[in-house]
Amino acid sequence: EVQLLESGGGFVQPGGSLRLSCEASGFTFDNYAMTWVRQAPGKGLEWVATISGHGRNTYYADSMRGRFTISRDNSKNRLFLQLHSLTEHTAVYYCAKNLLFDSLVGSDSWGQGALLIVSS
Amino acid sequence: QSALTQPASVSGSPGQSITISCTGTSSDIGAYNYVYWYQHHPGKAPRLIIYDVNIRPSGVPDRFSGSKSGNTASLTISGLQPEDEAVYHCSAYGRESVGAALFGGGTQVTVL
Repeated sequence: EVQLLESGGGFVQPGGSLRLSCEASGFTFDNYAMTWVRQAPGKGLEWVATISGHGRNTYYADSMRGRFTISRDNSKNRLFLQLHSLTEHTAVYYCAKNLLFDSLVGSDSWGQGALLIVSS
Repeated sequence: QSALTQPASVSGSPGQSITISCTGTSSDIGAYNYVYWYQHHPGKAPRLIIYDVNIRPSGVPDRFSGSKSGNTASLTISGLQPEDEAVYHCSAYGRESVGAALFGGGTQVTVL
């Protein structure tokens, strides 16, 4: 059974930084692209970034590029999202497994999400 | 404002059929067969119910079906069940700039 468990959420002050982690199990991690998607309060889902199975290709939403960094450690089955200069980024951040090795869209398994609150 | 347009809410009685639309452009839904639908119950992980426009993953009931015409994709739930009450999100690949994964704003389905 595929399991994805996000961690690292919490309260951050405006301008601060944070790293979210996602621990994956139940599948061959480096065979699949992985994605971060977020959902702000009262809003729909919003794609943040995707990384290919080997980690060499990364893709970002235009509004996230330069402020967020997606990475993965295939030796530890972990996905990461480094967030910098946080302002209006309060949201639940979901880790998701994609259907293919290097696909930008289509996630067939999702975690429960990690809540990030940016507030002073 | 979301890149794809969905109705905010749709409702139906048990056993009825409902359809949720997802409207994009000729650069995303109209250009590729990369359309996805997710079911999202509050406090739970989203669940993929349709991929590549009209394919159901294993375990998804066949009352869920997807289709596409032009720049609009649709999700139909036939024989609505109480457990189908959830938010449904559409997603699609878009080729603007270097490519992007687009989402709709989500549609709340209420079973009356």
